[in-house]
Amino acid sequence: IAGITQAPTSQILAAGRRMTLRCTQDMRHNAMYWYRQDLGLGLRLIHYSNTAGTTGKGEVPDGYSVSRANTDDFPLTLASAVPSQTSVYFCASRDRALTGELFFGEGSRLTVL
Amino acid sequence: GDSVTQMEGPVTLSEEAFLTINCTYTATGYPSLFWYVQYPGEGLQLLLKATKADDKGSNKGFEATYRKETTSFHLEKGSVQVSDSAVYFCALMIYNQGGKLIFGQGTELSVKP
Repeated sequence: IAGITQAPTSQILAAGRRMTLRCTQDMRHNAMYWYRQDLGLGLRLIHYSNTAGTTGKGEVPDGYSVSRANTDDFPLTLASAVPSQTSVYFCASRDRALTGELFFGEGSRLTVL
Repeated sequence: GDSVTQMEGPVTLSEEAFLTINCTYTATGYPSLFWYVQYPGEGLQLLLKATKADDKGSNKGFEATYRKETTSFHLEKGSVQVSDSAVYFCALMIYNQGGKLIFGQGTELSVKP
């Protein structure tokens, strides 16, 4: 089934550890996004990529980094996790940056202790 | 800055009741407006959209009209079902900002039999 695959589904992490959340899409979409979802705050954009080889900062980029080496993969890395990064993380993609429906993965729940 | 404000939840209704979830926005440009739905344990899915003033988006019995004069995009459904229980997110997209979506905080809907 075509779509977006995120891994891991859930993770508990000690503060200070490095963590990479994986995101792969098989729809050949150009644009990809990482959001975090927090109760009462909705979804906030962390980083985005309009096409392979380019990335940009969203609303809340501090403490996170991304790379876009190819069309399909868009990993999100927490270099040194802190408790405030406890959240549910959603990867999303769409065919073109300015148009098209946004497709979401099922989310990765991260708890930083 | 650009923002979306939704009515606070949770909203609890009986089956077949009328639903309204309010959404207002602030934007410097001419945004497209969206409603996304998140069912328990899943990622977000596009429910409906409107790209210009006075457009009406509709899907699965839900409707929303793009009201530029009141900067609103309220979601309505005439008769809700238990299966409509989910979190609903209003969002806007401004093309001159790279097509990034800005989400409201979400409104949880619970429909009782």
